[in-house]
Amino acid sequence: GQNIDQPTEMTATEGAIVQINCTYQTSGFNGLFWYQQHAGEAPTFLSYNVLDGLEEKGRFSSFLSRSKGYSYLLLKELQMKDSASYLCAVLDSNYQLIWGAGTKLIIKP
Amino acid sequence: GAVVSQHPSRVICKSGTSVKIECRSLDFQATTMFWYRQFPKQSLMLMATSNEGSKATYEQGVEKDKFLINHASLTLSTLTVTSAHPEDSSFYICSAREREYNEQFFGPGTRLTVL
Repeated sequence: GQNIDQPTEMTATEGAIVQINCTYQTSGFNGLFWYQQHAGEAPTFLSYNVLDGLEEKGRFSSFLSRSKGYSYLLLKELQMKDSASYLCAVLDSNYQLIWGAGTKLIIKP
Repeated sequence: GAVVSQHPSRVICKSGTSVKIECRSLDFQATTMFWYRQFPKQSLMLMATSNEGSKATYEQGVEKDKFLINHASLTLSTLTVTSAHPEDSSFYICSAREREYNEQFFGPGTRLTVL
C-alpha cells in the first residue's frame, strides 16, 4: 500500500528553526509537495521537489532523498504566524497526490 | 500563482436538502479537478477526481449517487451533496491542475453544516 508518515505535532519557539520530516512509500514517484494549512482554511503551496537535494525559498527550505523515500521541510526564524499544519504529499505514478496526515506545528513565544 | 475560487464559502442547510458547490479555475484551464473532504483535525480525504468531459472517478467508500460531480468545462466543476445529513457536515475543498505534472491549486473551501 501507499503510505506517507510525518509527525502528528511539533512545538518550537519563536525565532528558532524547526525541521518537519516526511517518509513515504508509494507506487511510483513524480514529485513531493509541501503545503501549509491554517485552521479552517484550504492548503497553500509551499514547495515542490522532484530531484534530490535542497530547495530554498526564503525562510522555508525543502529537502528530498528519493533513494531513502525521505523529505523534510525546514522553517527558519519562526514567526507566530507559522503556527499551522504542514502537509506532505507525493505525486504517484498515476499523478495522484497521496497525502500525509499533516504535522501540527505550535509556535511558542 | 493560479487562482481557484469556490462558492459558497459557507452553507447551512436542513437535513434532506441538496447543496451545490462550485469550483472555478480563474486564470488557467484545469484538465483535472479534485474534490476533498476534511473533518476537524483530520487530513484531507480525496473524494473524487474529475477530468473535463468525462465521468468522475470516485474513491472507495464515496457514494457517487450522493456526491454528484460535474466537470462540464475546463474552468468549472460542481459537487452536489444530495439529501444532505448531519454526518455530511464537513469542510469541502476543491483543487485543480492544468497538466499531470503540475501542482494542484486549492480553492478556499466550503464549510457545510447540515442541521
